[in-house]
Amino acid sequence: DTAVSQTPKYLVTQMGNDKSIKCEQNLGHDTMYWYKQDSKKFLKIMFSYNNKELIINETVPNRFSPKSPDKAHLNLHINSLELGDSAVYFCASSAGFTGNTIYFGEGSWLTVV
Amino acid sequence: AQSVTQLGSHVSVSEGALVLLRCNYSSSVPPYLFWYVQYPNQGLQLLLKYTTGATLVKGINGFEAEFKKSETSFHLTKPSAHMSDAAEYFCAVSADAGGTSYGKLTFGQGTILTVHP
Repeated sequence: DTAVSQTPKYLVTQMGNDKSIKCEQNLGHDTMYWYKQDSKKFLKIMFSYNNKELIINETVPNRFSPKSPDKAHLNLHINSLELGDSAVYFCASSAGFTGNTIYFGEGSWLTVV
Repeated sequence: AQSVTQLGSHVSVSEGALVLLRCNYSSSVPPYLFWYVQYPNQGLQLLLKYTTGATLVKGINGFEAEFKKSETSFHLTKPSAHMSDAAEYFCAVSADAGGTSYGKLTFGQGTILTVHP
């Protein structure tokens, strides 16, 4: 069983479209994250949720809206997609906060054309 | 604020040779340090981590890393490289600055390890 699963794995879409990436974890963790890996492989946190509450928002444009319907799910919705949004988006989870291992999903490759 | 610098974006070794991937961090509070590995088109897998206690930590696949506070370093080593070690490696730091970081990982730029036969 995949611990952190995200769908879709690959997504190609046109500029201006709206798209969502779904994420689910079956580890019983209470904290979930979205990380973005750009074309140079640089990884940076976007959001962090704890028990469905937004904890970290790293100055991400308002076009990105995370939603956590429950502790096991953290979805990412992106409005009005731009070319610069092309990246790999990783969902992750951990039990609690600092120092605990963060488990990553397989990634969602988003290409905006 | 916390940051990570990985020295060398590419490291190339021969199979059987020592692997040394360098990582230096900056943190205003005691850090938690991690090494992750990423194989092509896959997610990140934890190799090892340092939280507290023993400064030499052992991880999966024969890797180990030593936390050196005086040098602000957390270099990753493996005595003998294997072809299957070829991947990209990321060093990361997490620091509880008064609880505001909430587990946030700050990553280095990554080091691509190539292993030659």
